[in-house]
Amino acid sequence: AQKITQTQPGMFVQEKEAVTLDCTYDTSDPSYGLFWYKQPSSGEMIFLIYQGSYDQQNATEGRYSLNFQKARKSANLVISASQLGDSAMYFCAMRGLNTGFQKLVFGTGTRLLVSP
Amino acid sequence: EAQVTQNPRYLITVTGKKLTVTCSQNMNHEYMSWYRQDPGLGLRQIYYSMNVEVTDKGDVPEGYKVSRKEKRNFPLILESPSPNQTSLYFCASSPYDAGRTDTQYFGPGTRLTVL
Repeated sequence: AQKITQTQPGMFVQEKEAVTLDCTYDTSDPSYGLFWYKQPSSGEMIFLIYQGSYDQQNATEGRYSLNFQKARKSANLVISASQLGDSAMYFCAMRGLNTGFQKLVFGTGTRLLVSP
Repeated sequence: EAQVTQNPRYLITVTGKKLTVTCSQNMNHEYMSWYRQDPGLGLRQIYYSMNVEVTDKGDVPEGYKVSRKEKRNFPLILESPSPNQTSLYFCASSPYDAGRTDTQYFGPGTRLTVL
């Protein structure tokens, strides 16, 4: 079975600083993908970044980067130069070969608050 | 515009009154799925569908039904809603042969309250 663990219920960061949101995962799948989603207070799920288990380099998308440590089974999201609009709930998720890559398993989320 | 739509966005109902939440996508995706989101639990999959007339249970299917008569639509049916089904519901879709790199496209969510 696949499992995602996000141990930080809430995080605070000041505007313009960097912040790391933790995510560890457990899977026996030989091939899998890791995702981060942002959920603002309006409720929609916004895809941020993806990392494949065989990707050699850490994924980056603008101010978002994924610190992927396969041996540790961690996939932390790094947000550089935080903005007030980054205040939201953040979910780590994965999908794997054994579920045909069609099922996303989510963590419980981390609420990020960016202060001026 | 490529999108997944859900209706209604907000619904307050009473225990036992059958309801349907509709989901429609305009991207010709084979795969569609329903999730529910509850505080402290993240999103959990209710049902999914690999294509027309092909559906299967997710992790929390009890109390829900689905159908997939057309490729674009995947309604979620609560035959006899109960208060423990109060939740935020998301529909999602993706191409069947997406591979690992493709994400799922989420609808805007339906906030359901069962009194």
